[in-house]
Amino acid sequence: QKEVEQDPGPLSVPEGAIVSLNCTYSNSAFQYFMWYRQYSRKGPELLMYTYSSGNKEDGRFTAQVDKSSKYISLFIRDSQPSDSATYLCAMISTSYGKLTFGQGTILTVHP
Amino acid sequence: EAQVTQNPRYLITVTGKKLTVTCSQNMNHEYMSWYRQDPGLGLRQIYYSMNVEVTDKGDVPEGYKVSRKEKRNFPLILESPSPNQTSLYFCASREVAGGSYEQYFGPGTRLTVT
Repeated sequence: QKEVEQDPGPLSVPEGAIVSLNCTYSNSAFQYFMWYRQYSRKGPELLMYTYSSGNKEDGRFTAQVDKSSKYISLFIRDSQPSDSATYLCAMISTSYGKLTFGQGTILTVHP
Repeated sequence: EAQVTQNPRYLITVTGKKLTVTCSQNMNHEYMSWYRQDPGLGLRQIYYSMNVEVTDKGDVPEGYKVSRKEKRNFPLILESPSPNQTSLYFCASREVAGGSYEQYFGPGTRLTVT
């Protein structure tokens, strides 16, 4: 079993839709949770970074962490064509210091 | 501008011909790492380095070597490339002190081994 499982998609949504991206994990030692966005032919860039269970909002993006269920989500409101990218969840245990990634979800937002 | 650079960006080579992919960062980060990205598998760590002269294996180290002689540079070496090493490679760096685990990624190197 992989430590981090991410819904593989791909997802195709119309502009303005609410998008939900999800990951589950098995390692209770994970303490920090991140979402990276990767545009075609580019390296991943950090989008959201959370530590505790609950919600963190940044503009149209909301990251949700439920440590009891070992489940994290990224919600995108009012999705735009410029949101079309691959989204990667990632998590880290401070004990190991290694970032573990999900498989990535390809999102396409069409006008 | 704070950045991680990789060279070359694209490389086509033949089985067995040694190659090096360079990585450099200008953020004075202690931690540097190499990943490969394959469809359906996400990013998998190859090697990492916590500081100069300190390197360690990641999840998929077979067939790769690294060195960390200077803080800013972390080259990836394929002594005898094979077709199963055809992949998209990313170098990344982050600080160790300060409690931030945000990694900064380079633009990627697409390697094809025939």
